[in-house]
Amino acid sequence: QVQLQESGPGLVKPSQTLSLTCTVSGGSISSGSYYWSWIRQPAGKGLEWIGRIYTSGSTNYNPSLKSRVTISGDTSKNQFSLKLSSVTAADTAVYYCASGVAARLNYWGQGTLVTVSS
Amino acid sequence: DIQMTQSPSSLSASVGDRVTISCRASQSISNYLHWYQQKPGKAPNLLIYTASSLQSGVPSRFSGSGSGTDFTLTISSLQPEDFATYYCQQSYSPPYTFGQGTKLEIK
Repeated sequence: QVQLQESGPGLVKPSQTLSLTCTVSGGSISSGSYYWSWIRQPAGKGLEWIGRIYTSGSTNYNPSLKSRVTISGDTSKNQFSLKLSSVTAADTAVYYCASGVAARLNYWGQGTLVTVSS
Repeated sequence: DIQMTQSPSSLSASVGDRVTISCRASQSISNYLHWYQQKPGKAPNLLIYTASSLQSGVPSRFSGSGSGTDFTLTISSLQPEDFATYYCQQSYSPPYTFGQGTKLEIK
């Protein structure tokens, strides 16, 4: 059973870089056919797919965020990370890491609230 | 980007009712459509994958159908624990967009 846990600062200043890590247990980010994804949800709103990294290390990003987002993996720690640069208040949201086979997301972290404020 | 449109946006129903939620894609996505349930303060939970396959552990009162651009999630007999928000998501082409959600409330 794959388990995911997000970690990172809960408060980020405007124009700075948001950095989150997802620690994976019960599975390896470097094997199998899993996609490792980030999704976010502003308070009271719907889900927004941010991007994903595959076991091969290849990535896909949401074009609406592409110039600001980087997803990377650390196989030695069995973690994958999200970096979102030049944040504004519009980036305030609950951020989820999630994974699954063939792009369906059957494993989710509990989510972490990131607030962008000075 | 492929746009996903759910209808209705909200729905009131009673325990025991049969409920249908629709999801329409802006272009054909074959059967690359998944359904999630989300309760307040919790992460989404996968219910149905590839349009009609029931995720392990999900009650059989949930079912999905459709292909191409039009999809449906059906709950055959609503239970109290089913009152939540439901999202569809396409995985045909990145970005893997979600519908705006359907909030299912108790009548």
